[in-house]
Amino acid sequence: KNQVEQSPQSLIILEGKNCTLQCNYTVSPFSNLRWYKQDTGRGPVSLTIMTFSENTKSNGRYTATLDADTKQSSLHITASQLSDSASYICVAFSGGYNKLIFGAGTRLAVHP
Amino acid sequence: GAVVSQHPSWVICKSGTSVKIECRSLDFQATTMFWYRQFPKQSLMLMATSNEGSKATYEQGVEKDKFLINHASLTLSTLTVTSAHPEDSSFYICSAFRGPGIAEAFFGQGTRLTVV
Repeated sequence: KNQVEQSPQSLIILEGKNCTLQCNYTVSPFSNLRWYKQDTGRGPVSLTIMTFSENTKSNGRYTATLDADTKQSSLHITASQLSDSASYICVAFSGGYNKLIFGAGTRLAVHP
Repeated sequence: GAVVSQHPSWVICKSGTSVKIECRSLDFQATTMFWYRQFPKQSLMLMATSNEGSKATYEQGVEKDKFLINHASLTLSTLTVTSAHPEDSSFYICSAFRGPGIAEAFFGQGTRLTVV
């Protein structure tokens, strides 16, 4: 069964601190993995998209990693800001079925 | 990046009425669009896949006669919630696929539907 699991479910950190979100996926056939940021009441916005051949990709203070062997991905946020408070969703794309498989998301709260 | 516009952003309707939500890809052609539903603090749940010029494919448990999907052009898909009930109140989000190559999914802003 295709599925994406994220941890932790929720996280609270202080402004300026770093954090890492985890994503494990079981998707076949696997094409690529994406991280999205979703603010409350808004649609998801893409942060990174990674194919199985890419190990690391950065987008500003966001750095995503992908280990295709262990089927794990992480999203590292550096020097967090209050505006980083949102849900972060890991999504695997199964090209064979043209489907996006969503994780449940990690709700991040950055406190001053 | 590419823009997907969803309209309206919020709507309140009476029970028994129908509501139409539009999803437009503004700067690219999308042969495939997806409609999702999201309850508070939960993940997006795929409702249906909309392919331009053909019938939508609905996920198991989604009533196709209640959630009418039309994808009449490469830039527009619509979701009509027919005979809405309070339990249909939710956040509805569309996404449009841009390909070929590494297919990229762009999401609309979402529509908050409240049925009273």
